[in-house]
Formats: sequence, structure tokens, C-alpha cells
Amino acid sequence: AQKITQTQPGMFVQEKEAVTLDCTYDTSDPSYGLFWYKQPSSGEMIFLIYQGSYDQQNATEGRYSLNFQKARKSANLVISASQLGDSAMYFCAMTPFSSNTGKLIFGQGTTLQVKP
Amino acid sequence: KAGVTQTPRYLIKTRGQQVTLSCSPISGHRSVSWYQQTPGQGLQFLFEYFSETQRNKGNFPGRFSGRQFSNSRSEMNVSTLELGDSALYLCASSRGQPGADTQYFGPGTRLTVL
Repeated sequence: AQKITQTQPGMFVQEKEAVTLDCTYDTSDPSYGLFWYKQPSSGEMIFLIYQGSYDQQNATEGRYSLNFQKARKSANLVISASQLGDSAMYFCAMTPFSSNTGKLIFGQGTTLQVKP
Repeated sequence: KAGVTQTPRYLIKTRGQQVTLSCSPISGHRSVSWYQQTPGQGLQFLFEYFSETQRNKGNFPGRFSGRQFSNSRSEMNVSTLELGDSALYLCASSRGQPGADTQYFGPGTRLTVL
């Protein structure tokens, strides 16, 4: 069964500090993609970062980086230098390539609040 | 490049009615997926369309249906609405290529069933 687990329902971080949001996944597929999305209170899902299972290096996109540990099946999101605008819900998602479709399997999400 | 657009943004219906939601993908994207988001169930995949064909379907009753037009725009329909259908419905578009293919989401349609 394909599953994404995000164990932190809510997180607090001080402005300008770094924060790590946890994500573990379960799949028997040898090839898959991992995504992180941000959902502000407005509701729109904003793509942040992508990591392929075959990628040797951890993905980075500006202040976002993905700490990918394949053997542990974890794909944690690291946000450096947190800003007030980072306060939102964050979702980890996966797509197994064998499905040959774009179907995303989402975790339950983590609510991040950045304190001034 | 314009993003994914969804109409309407908000909708209030009563039980038993039907509703149609619309999604216009990013220009050049051929795949459109639909997701339902509720506080209790989280984000659940409804279906995906690629080149006017349904490519994948989630575990939802037959009251939920969709289609895609030749210009890649997609609609989803929910018939005989139930209170539990109240949710944020998100549409996402992508190029539709197998493998690494990022989905970009629209702002969603918030449906309230009274």
C-alpha cells in the first residue's frame, strides 16, 4: 500500500530560524516522486519542491531543501530563515511511477506557525 | 503564463441538487486531476483526465463524474449532493508525462451543501 505519514500536526518556529517538517512514505515501487506543497489559508496548493527516488542529491529550491533518506523512506522539508509568510499548512505527497498517472498520495499535513 | 483557474470559487447547494465545477489548466498542459479536501479525510484523489480520457479514478461513488474537453479544460459533476460532499475541490494540471511531472493546483472551489 502507498502511504504518506506526517507525524507533526502543528509546529511553531521563530522568525528567521530554520525548521524541519517530517515526512515518511511507504511504497513498494522502485521509482517514485516526492513533492512538498504549501497551502495558505486561502486554500491554493503551492508547489515547493520535488525529489525523484533516483536523484542522488537532495533537492533545493531557494530557502527550501529536501532531506531525502531513501533507506529510511523519509523526505523531510527544511525551511531556512523562516518568514511570517511561511505560516501555512504543508503537505508531503508521493506519486509512484508504476501507476503511469499523475495521481498524488498526500499526507495529513503539518500546520506551521512562524512567530515574530 | 496564467495559472490553473477554477470556477466558481464558492458554491452553496442543498442536498439532492447537482453541481458542476470547472477547471482550466495551464496552457500546454494536457492532464487534469481533481482532489477533494475535507478536514476529516484530508486530500483524496478523485480522478485524472489526459487527452479527454479518464486515466485514473479514485474510490468515490458514481455520483462523482468528470470529463475533459479537447482544449484540456475539465469539468467535474456531483449529482444528488449529500452533506458529506461539502469540501474544497482542487484541480491540478500537468503536462501528463509519466514519471516526474509536477502538478500545479488551482485556487479551489469551496462547496457547501446545506
